[in-house]
Amino acid sequence: DQQVKQNSPSLSVQEGRISILNCDYTNSMFDYFLWYKKYPAEGPTFLISISSIKDKNEDGRFTVFLNKSAKHLSLHIVPSQPGDSAVYFCARNTPLVFGKGTRLSVIA
Amino acid sequence: DSGVTQTPKHLITATGQRVTLRCSPRSGDLSVYWYQQSLDQGLQFLIQYYNGEERAKGNILERFSAQQFPDLHSELNLSSLELGDSALYFCASSVDRDRVPIEAFFGQGTRLTVV
Repeated sequence: DQQVKQNSPSLSVQEGRISILNCDYTNSMFDYFLWYKKYPAEGPTFLISISSIKDKNEDGRFTVFLNKSAKHLSLHIVPSQPGDSAVYFCARNTPLVFGKGTRLSVIA
Repeated sequence: DSGVTQTPKHLITATGQRVTLRCSPRSGDLSVYWYQQSLDQGLQFLIQYYNGEERAKGNILERFSAQQFPDLHSELNLSSLELGDSALYFCASSVDRDRVPIEAFFGQGTRLTVV
């Protein structure tokens, strides 16, 4: 049972434009959704989270939107930078269960 | 540096063997998670311990076991190894405010190669 689904394995975006990474979930019993970023040969690092009682959370260039009726969340990165190129995982708690990830490539 | 330490970084072993992966969580974190990352499989949740007790179990094979010790470090034991067990194994820890993890910090991983 894959509780968190990231249906796009990869995404390419031009530098300066918006990157939108999507995530769908099946089980509504959660407290938080979290986004992690992972570079090759490194462990994932926490990026941003959203509580189940909120619709939006913003931190600098990163904004996460939660649509509970559609069981969908998205991560927006504006503006996208080459250093944002990495694999992005969405996860729900508890425990922390991850999607399969989306590889973002930001092209200069 | 996340503060989570995993040893060893690399491990090469033969099929049928047994190995132990070690994780030291961040100071003050009570929860430890283990994940397996195989090619194209994302981060598969294996097991979670909280303050020495098993809290949640994911897709962990019967050949695998884990424990968390009184000093909160954790070990993942993999036995009767098969070629398909070759993967990156990550440990993560979290502080679990009110028993809810807000975020987890990951170690650098142990790359296991079974030959």
